[in-house]
Amino acid sequence: RKEVEQDPGPFNVPEGATVAFNCTYSNSASQSFFWYRQDCRKEPKLLMSVYSSGNEDGRFTAQLNRASQYISLLIRDSKLSDSATYLCVSTRGGSNYKLTFGKGTLLTVNP
Amino acid sequence: ETGVTQSPTHLIKTRGQQVTLRCSSQSGHNTVSWYQQALGQGPQFIFQYYREEENGRGNFPPRFSGLQFPNYSSELNVNALELDDSALYLCASSSKDRGQHEQYFGPGTRLTVT
Repeated sequence: RKEVEQDPGPFNVPEGATVAFNCTYSNSASQSFFWYRQDCRKEPKLLMSVYSSGNEDGRFTAQLNRASQYISLLIRDSKLSDSATYLCVSTRGGSNYKLTFGKGTLLTVNP
Repeated sequence: ETGVTQSPTHLIKTRGQQVTLRCSSQSGHNTVSWYQQALGQGPQFIFQYYREEENGRGNFPPRFSGLQFPNYSSELNVNALELDDSALYLCASSSKDRGQHEQYFGPGTRLTVT
């Protein structure tokens, strides 16, 4: 079983739609979580960190449920520019902050 | 832009050859991590360098090696290239001393092994 698993996608939605991505992690020692966004043939870029209390950044909301080992990302009022692959990421504490990535979920927002 | 730079951007090598990829970290960051991203997959952790020493390694064979220099820049070396080494190689910089877990990626080097 992969350490981080995401919805396989792809997701195709119209502009203005709300879309939710789900992610689960298997290692209960995971401490920090992130969502990265990756455009085609580009590097991953940090979209937001994910906190147990939930956090919101404009149209984006991230949630973490440690009991269920589940992370989510909600995008409201989606824009064409939101089209990208969204990567769910976990990391453990300690001396090695290795990022463990999910496979990614491709989102295409259509006009 | 993150301020993390990588060179070269693209590279074509033949099976069995050796390759060196380079990364300059963001100003103020002292930690560099390397990742391999195969087509259609998420990045996979290769190793991390902190204060010029390897500080953790993923599931990659010894023919993947690295260095970090006093200015925190880093190199990834791959010997005896195999076809499966074809991938996007990403470096990411961060600041371990500040306890920051966020890592910022460079644009990557796309390696093709024929």
